[in-house]
Amino acid sequence: DAKTTQPNSMESNEEEPVHLPCNHSTISGTDYIHWYRQLPSQGPEYVIHGLTSNVNNRMASLAIAEDRKSSTLILHRATLRDAAVYYCILRPSGAGSYQLTFGKGTKLSVIP
Amino acid sequence: KAGVTQTPRYLIKTRGQQVTLSCSPISGHRSVSWYQQTPGQGLQFLFEYFSETQRNKGNFPGRFSGRQFSNSRSEMNVSTLELGDSALYLCASSLEEGLRGGYTFGSGTRLTVV
Repeated sequence: DAKTTQPNSMESNEEEPVHLPCNHSTISGTDYIHWYRQLPSQGPEYVIHGLTSNVNNRMASLAIAEDRKSSTLILHRATLRDAAVYYCILRPSGAGSYQLTFGKGTKLSVIP
Repeated sequence: KAGVTQTPRYLIKTRGQQVTLSCSPISGHRSVSWYQQTPGQGLQFLFEYFSETQRNKGNFPGRFSGRQFSNSRSEMNVSTLELGDSALYLCASSLEEGLRGGYTFGSGTRLTVV
């Protein structure tokens, strides 16, 4: 499986934007970039995914580099509820069974 | 709509016993996956079922097994429990076979082996 690299931890002030980076230099052309987050004492929660173009949804935005070797998850206005571990995962496209390979993720702390 | 339901939420077992955990996916979801989460190893894939067939299996010993029923509900079983099996066991379901969207995870079953 292609590997992702994320910072171990990041801090943000409440109500400020947060940019969570992810490097995936060995990504293949058919890998989707997925982001999940895990709040304390809960299962992971799907955040967003994309292939080549930037993506937006109600939770976040995903900015994908032109060469696809890196991506950034953007939380536009951090709240205390966004404090979680954020995982960047590469997932092959197409039919079939594909497990999610979780790394250690980035622990985001939000300061009031 | 109801999310992924895992039962029980907490479980304490003794070494050598066996345990069965249950997962009810979101209605209409046919793919169910299981993951183990420990502080040392993080989240690790156990296996995935689709339409009652195991499609993929992670690197776990044969003591870990599972099955999926015709209504997509799934169970996983761990036999001859070891202390190292203490973990949070998470179930995730998805709608599509060739997943491009997201999995929905349950809150997990916290298993403690003493």
